[in-house]
Amino acid sequence: QVQLQESGPGLVKPSGTLSLNCAVSGGSISSGRWWGWVRQPPGKGLEWIGEIYHSGSTSYNPSLKSRVTISADKSKNQFSLNLSSVTAADTAVYYCVREDVVVMNWGQGTLVTVSS
Amino acid sequence: EIVLTQSPGTLSLSPGERATLSCRTSQSVSSTYLAWYQQKPGQAPRLLIHGASSRATGIPDRFSGSGSGTDFTLTISRLEPEDFAVYYCQQYGGSPRGITFGQGTRLEIK
Repeated sequence: QVQLQESGPGLVKPSGTLSLNCAVSGGSISSGRWWGWVRQPPGKGLEWIGEIYHSGSTSYNPSLKSRVTISADKSKNQFSLNLSSVTAADTAVYYCVREDVVVMNWGQGTLVTVSS
Repeated sequence: EIVLTQSPGTLSLSPGERATLSCRTSQSVSSTYLAWYQQKPGQAPRLLIHGASSRATGIPDRFSGSGSGTDFTLTISRLEPEDFAVYYCQQYGGSPRGITFGQGTRLEIK
């Protein structure tokens, strides 16, 4: 059973860059499928951020595309999210996920607050 | 960009009753690419239905999905106490690749 675990700072200053890692166990990110990020502002709905394939191909939500970079480190079996120029609107629980047509596996989520 | 609109926003029912949740898409989508999730407070969402009508592994048969084109439905035949949660529909778009969620329906105990 694939398991995902997010890690990274829980507090980011406005205009800074939000950086999160996702460690994958029970499976390899090189084995296929897409690996991505979904976020959920407090009390609100789900928003897909983007994804990466083991080949390095990426796809991003058009509304975030200019600020998002998703990368992968096969040697560490993990992938990462960078979101630049953050504002309070980027405060959310961030989930790393394994997905294809649907989201098959979710991490437990990590709350990131944007505040000075 | 395809928009998913769920209704109602909140549904108040009692255990044992039948729940019907709607998801409408702004353009016709393939049933293959329509899914439903359940989310309880403090937890990550859980996949319930994929391909519009196929239950995910371990999902009780009181959950069923149906629909095609732009209108999709999640039905819970007899509500159990653990079914009260928020439900999201989700669509996958192939060109460009991407996932879109509806805004959610909150199912609460009446």
